[in-house]
Amino acid sequence: GAVVSQHPSRVICKSGTSVKIECRSLDFQATTMFWYRQFPKKSLMLMATSNEGSKATYEQGVEKDKFLINHASLTLSTLTVTSAHPEDSSFYICSARQGANTGELFFGEGSRLTVL
Amino acid sequence: GESVGLHLPTLSVQEGDNSIINCAYSNSASDYFIWYKQESGKGPQFIIDIRSNMDKRQGQRVTVLLNKTVKHLSLQIAATQPGDSAVYFCAEIPHFSGGYNKLIFGAGTRLAVHP
Repeated sequence: GAVVSQHPSRVICKSGTSVKIECRSLDFQATTMFWYRQFPKKSLMLMATSNEGSKATYEQGVEKDKFLINHASLTLSTLTVTSAHPEDSSFYICSARQGANTGELFFGEGSRLTVL
Repeated sequence: GESVGLHLPTLSVQEGDNSIINCAYSNSASDYFIWYKQESGKGPQFIIDIRSNMDKRQGQRVTVLLNKTVKHLSLQIAATQPGDSAVYFCAEIPHFSGGYNKLIFGAGTRLAVHP
């Protein structure tokens, strides 16, 4: 199956700093990628849809200025958590869709962010 | 919609038994459903999918049943193995039409397989 890679898998940062998480589709091109957030023992919550070459579409309640998304190429989307605070600590997961006629998404391994 | 506020329910089964994991979805207009398996610290893995024009679909050791009348989805795992221990999520896509629409995850169920 298709492979989606996230980096870093774990990151610890100080409050007030910014952190960038990368999501790459390794063996396919993805015009659309998705960013999810997951709290411990909870479900995945869609944050935004990342579109190559255009602005991301954010879900209601997600701060655009807080979570900056850039889809620079057909194989790379980045999520930057700006001015991070402890409440931003979470598991961030990206996914990408392969193919034009299937809803199957391939997920990255996730990135665990801890803000001290 | 997204699930918030509740801890994951747990289903405990003996190795070799069949497991049934249930899911109630929220949007009657959803027409495509997927089951995912998530192991600790990892991203979700695709298990099986089903479109709304079907009631049942079978894969290897897994079967998905869809009851649109009561908006209910179930995942059956035959001869459950220790490696099946994980959290299982159902997900729905409203108005799937061959293009992409956003994927909404259900609450999730933790499956614990005991030897």
